[in-house]
Amino acid sequence: EAGVAQSPRYKIIEKRQSVAFWCNPISGHATLYWYQQILGQGPKLLIQFQNNGVVDDSQLPKDRFSAERLKGVDSTLKIQPAKLEDSAVYLCASSLDREDEQYFGPGTRLTVT
Amino acid sequence: GDSVTQMEGPVTLSEEAFLTINCTYTATGYPSLFWYVQYPGEGLQLLLKATKADDKGSNKGFEATYRKETTSFHLEKGSVQVSDSAVYFCALSENTDKLIFGTGTRLQVFP
Repeated sequence: EAGVAQSPRYKIIEKRQSVAFWCNPISGHATLYWYQQILGQGPKLLIQFQNNGVVDDSQLPKDRFSAERLKGVDSTLKIQPAKLEDSAVYLCASSLDREDEQYFGPGTRLTVT
Repeated sequence: GDSVTQMEGPVTLSEEAFLTINCTYTATGYPSLFWYVQYPGEGLQLLLKATKADDKGSNKGFEATYRKETTSFHLEKGSVQVSDSAVYFCALSENTDKLIFGTGTRLQVFP
């Protein structure tokens, strides 16, 4: 069974630029999560989707971050414009349904200069 | 709010040594508790979990017991291997699917 795929694996941008990350969850998984992991900290949930609807986006900085999950499969997370403090690893995870085990992708490491 | 506190790393051990990584939590209710492991270059993987007090989670020689009286979920392994070198995260989930993670503890095992 293929795991959670993410791309790109690494991205370097200048502040005020825009960036987008892509996630392909495990086939059949209804729930998709985006986490932000700043160096030296644990992952923090940014947004959670159930199929193509948002369940929780309480910790998403909505003035600059946006995410969508069209058709309830792939998802994209966008940052516009980026700030230095957005430098982090962005993790995507999926689960069969809510409260099932979450499977994580390898992450995208973003560096904002 | 809910939170998880882990011992700071790195933890450096020789092969076959005994491992303990401390984890304590703060929660208003009765959370489920988890240990995740992140090997170099890979995504987080669930290592073990426990869903109620006195439950013991175990996997790959690792164990952790849910201690409600001390609000702890310490990770232990009797004999570590070089291949156990990774970052270990303690996490909780309180009646939801939202995971709250600790800061992680890096384990380095030398031959």
